[in-house]
Amino acid sequence: DSGVTQTPKHLITATGQRVTLRCSPRSGDLSVYWYQQSLDQGLQFLIQYYNGEERAKGNILERFSAQQFPDLHSELNLSSLELGDSALYFCASSARDRVAEQYFGPGTRLTVT
Amino acid sequence: KNQVEQSPQSLIILEGKNCTLQCNYTVSPFSNLRWYKQDTGRGPVSLTIMTFSENTKSNGRYTATLDADTKQSSLHITASQLSDSASYICVVSANSNYQLIWGAGTKLIIKP
Repeated sequence: DSGVTQTPKHLITATGQRVTLRCSPRSGDLSVYWYQQSLDQGLQFLIQYYNGEERAKGNILERFSAQQFPDLHSELNLSSLELGDSALYFCASSARDRVAEQYFGPGTRLTVT
Repeated sequence: KNQVEQSPQSLIILEGKNCTLQCNYTVSPFSNLRWYKQDTGRGPVSLTIMTFSENTKSNGRYTATLDADTKQSSLHITASQLSDSASYICVVSANSNYQLIWGAGTKLIIKP
């Protein structure tokens, strides 16, 4: 158990809908990262927050947004969902920026039908 | 362009055998290199992190090497076990930004 929690574990929704994925980092970790992993593909970095502020952006679509709250939990919002958004979404946390070890949560499996 | 390339894409070996996975990178300026193990459907778990000055690091039956001059790293697995079946991902961090550059991974299958 990495100490990073993600909810829900599974999510099934229809095209055009909006969903929110939630992540709670390990106790004391200030950085949160979001990744997308489509079937049999590598991890794609989406976005990083550090202590409430956006720190780095990867290949995140405009339909997706995220935020980190004062209690350091983070939410990833996915809107106008398409079939191609079906994937595993992982959250990771680390104690410091850049060089710190990242600890991954169990992921949220999103299925768009 | 910062890139991380891994080879082979997939590998099948018999239980008990050794294997070596390769990682070549073009990330600059280099900060550190990590190897992760990812079981199917689960989040990656860190195996090793190496900085510029480290050229070898072990974690049980896993040994990672780093040649910063040739920008190559390898992950050697000794006496493989069925539980080693997973994807192994090489990740490189650049000093110039906060992002990690992820390789596509090597899918390792251990057969009894």
